[in-house]
Amino acid sequence: DVKVTQSSRYLVKRTGEKVFLECVQDMDHENMFWYRQDPGLGLRLIYFSYDVKMKEKGDIPEGYSVSREKKERFSLILESASTNQTSMYLCATRTGHSGNTIYFGEGSWLTVV
Amino acid sequence: GESVGLHLPTLSVQEGDNSIINCAYSNSASDYFIWYKQESGKGPQFIIDIRSNMDKRQGQRVTVLLNKTVKHLSLQIAATQPGDSAVYFCAESDGGFKTIFGAGTRLFVKA
Repeated sequence: DVKVTQSSRYLVKRTGEKVFLECVQDMDHENMFWYRQDPGLGLRLIYFSYDVKMKEKGDIPEGYSVSREKKERFSLILESASTNQTSMYLCATRTGHSGNTIYFGEGSWLTVV
Repeated sequence: GESVGLHLPTLSVQEGDNSIINCAYSNSASDYFIWYKQESGKGPQFIIDIRSNMDKRQGQRVTVLLNKTVKHLSLQIAATQPGDSAVYFCAESDGGFKTIFGAGTRLFVKA
């Protein structure tokens, strides 16, 4: 079974803080993704990475950055958290073959106060 | 945590009945489709997938039907159980990096 682990399930941060969300996968998948999920808006892609040290912007990259130093780990960074970044963040992974299934982690609930 | 999908379409079924959840997809070039189940407070979980060269695929208690003519996908759940209560959403891919996800349908199972 694919395992995608998001180390922080629930976080409360203050406006202006730097926030790190970590994701680790154990399936040697090439592709990794960060989504946010908000009521009524569905899943929106923030960033994705198709290889180590490679990253591409998704649909809503503003206010976020990512880091992929190792194949199994993909980090999402909020440089200066704002209240409109309060959301559920989902990490996902997929093999390098396009069209294959995306597997999700359990999600990280971030509240910015 | 806050519930996902507060304004989603809702389907309410009696325990033991069959459920049919529908999805209209947008991209005619999509050739791979997936159904996910998402329980409250958890990440989406893969249920079943289908490629565009197929019309139907069956899993354990679930069947996915694909109608490419009208760009429609459906998920059928046989003998629905209380544990099936969740948000279900479809996803489509055209082979590129981006997968398009539907908004989802909330399934309530009445005991």
